[in-house]
Amino acid sequence: DTGVSQDPRHKITKRGQNVTFRCDPISEHNRLYWYRQTLGQGPEFLTYFQNEAQLEKSRLLSDRFSAERPKGSFSTLEIQRTEQGDSAMYLCASSLNSGRADTQYFGPGTRLTVL
Amino acid sequence: AQRVTQPEKLLSVFKGAPVELKCNYSYSGSPELFWYVQYSRQRLQLLLRHISRESIKGFTADLNKGETSFHLKKPFAQEEDSAMYYCALIYTDKLIFGTGTRLQVFP
Repeated sequence: DTGVSQDPRHKITKRGQNVTFRCDPISEHNRLYWYRQTLGQGPEFLTYFQNEAQLEKSRLLSDRFSAERPKGSFSTLEIQRTEQGDSAMYLCASSLNSGRADTQYFGPGTRLTVL
Repeated sequence: AQRVTQPEKLLSVFKGAPVELKCNYSYSGSPELFWYVQYSRQRLQLLLRHISRESIKGFTADLNKGETSFHLKKPFAQEEDSAMYYCALIYTDKLIFGTGTRLQVFP
């Protein structure tokens, strides 16, 4: 499968614990995005990278959230000191920057449950 | 502010009936709009984008700048069209999604 992959698919954690998610984009894609989706809502943008540079972070992204893409390939999203409000589906997407509106291809998501 | 509105949470039709899923947007420039679909237990996938003006799986969507709408239409719904549909606007490289409409097509 050459699509976007995410690991793990599900994560259950206790409040206050740290969690880390991984995203592997489509291999030739230079842009990688993170979105969060809660029940009954569409995905909301969190942050994105072009190669290894983080170009934008949403105001939704508190200081407890950090994302990296160290070699311009896979990315990790870490949440420190998780809260119940962090429970959501975390989606990763990738695209090839063409200078116009790129089509973003989504992964299957990581569902986080904070108890 | 940039916004996408999908007024219907649920749309139920019988097989063979026409379908229109509504999408309105708020954006001051020339919008780039998309429809994404999520079938049960599958990932979000692109259905169509307005600049390509394609018809995918019988669906079409026309951008109406006067009404700021990008409604998704299909003349004859099929049971396999049952899914969650999201309209999205691209703004400074990121997608802004509506809340989605669940389409149920009954046999």
